[in-house]
Amino acid sequence: AQSVSQHNHHVILSEAASLELGCNYSYGGTVNLFWYVQYPGQHLQLLLKYFSGDPLVKGIKGFEAEFIKSKFSFNLRKPSVQWSDTAEYFCAVNARDTGRRALTFGSGTRLQVQP
Amino acid sequence: EAGVAQSPRYKIIEKRQSVAFWCNPISGHATLYWYQQILGQGPKLLIQFQNNGVVDDSQLPKDRFSAERLKGVDSTLKIQPAKLEDSAVYLCASSLEPAGELFFGEGSRLTVL
Repeated sequence: AQSVSQHNHHVILSEAASLELGCNYSYGGTVNLFWYVQYPGQHLQLLLKYFSGDPLVKGIKGFEAEFIKSKFSFNLRKPSVQWSDTAEYFCAVNARDTGRRALTFGSGTRLQVQP
Repeated sequence: EAGVAQSPRYKIIEKRQSVAFWCNPISGHATLYWYQQILGQGPKLLIQFQNNGVVDDSQLPKDRFSAERLKGVDSTLKIQPAKLEDSAVYLCASSLEPAGELFFGEGSRLTVL
């Protein structure tokens, strides 16, 4: 079974600072990788996803993530955060070589951006 | 396009009582999921349906939790009897295909006293 680790539980940044949130997964097979975001009072929504191809994927609102297969990592980055990026961020993975395909989520990282 | 609908949004019950949550997925989405999200944790899969069949219920506490999707559209998740540790947000999600993007509902927040 796959698992996901997000080591940063709470991150506080000032506006315009750069962001990198760590995500590591454990699974020996082929995976799809996702970042979901939950803004205060809203439902979870997709930020970006990686299925195959270019390991650097770009998502909405200036976010990007890089899949490094050798490190089992899929870190999320943004060069300059805004106050509106305050939210909880979840990394998720599903195994492409099983019939189940349900996502396994990490424990989340709460990002607080100070104006 | 209408999103995933869930009800009720909030529910407070006492331990040993029962509760049911309802979910209507996005039209045409064959795959439906119920996740449990305890405060401070990520969502944990309870059950996955493909149409009206169960694909994965390995993490569903079957002694107290049950779920059904009788006509392959909307779904109900029931807890009976509830325990204090069942306090959580119950998230319903749907996808067009099993490996695709999940679309989440607003969630149903359960408090067990």
